[in-house]
Amino acid sequence: DGGITQSPKYLFRKEGQNVTLSCEQNLNHDAMYWYRQDPGQGLRLIYYSQIVNDFQKGDIAEGYSVSREKKESFPLTVTSAQKNPTAFYLCASSVGTSGRSNEQFFGPGTRLTVL
Amino acid sequence: DQQVKQNSPSLSVQEGRISILNCDYTNSMFDYFLWYKKYPAEGPTFLISISSIKDKNEDGRFTVFLNKSAKHLSLHIVPSQPGDSAVYFCAGGGGADGLTFGKGTHLIIQP
Repeated sequence: DGGITQSPKYLFRKEGQNVTLSCEQNLNHDAMYWYRQDPGQGLRLIYYSQIVNDFQKGDIAEGYSVSREKKESFPLTVTSAQKNPTAFYLCASSVGTSGRSNEQFFGPGTRLTVL
Repeated sequence: DQQVKQNSPSLSVQEGRISILNCDYTNSMFDYFLWYKKYPAEGPTFLISISSIKDKNEDGRFTVFLNKSAKHLSLHIVPSQPGDSAVYFCAGGGGADGLTFGKGTHLIIQP
């Protein structure tokens, strides 16, 4: 089955620790995205990548880092510099970034709680 | 600056009636609009889309209307069913950085 997987579903970390969230897709999509959802805030873009070995900052990139070494994978690291890391994190992918190719497919999300 | 606005955080509709969710945008460069549906603790799922060259797109119980002059789009669900209770996100696309999402409207279908 084609789709996007995120693991784990729930993640707990101590304050001050870096943590990496996994995102894998087998849809052969070029573009991948990371969003954060907080109550009343909708979906806010953290980072996106249009192609392998390239990525761009979104609206709230501070305290986060990404890599795109493979087309299928777009891991997100939440660093200790992120002031409010507890949130629901969503990964998405799309064929491209214009017109109908912009339709994004989302993974099931990872709930990160920093204690 | 919110480029996509969903001004109603929540909407309550009786089962069987029409649900109308509204969305306003400010970015004239958007050439494609999408609606997503999201249940708690799950990723959003694509519902319906419309190109900026059209004013209406219909798919079963779901219809999206686009009024470009007013920079407004709406999603109509008729008849509304209990399983339609979810958060609905409107999104606009047209640039190289993907989609811009609104904050969502929580639709509650009452029996």
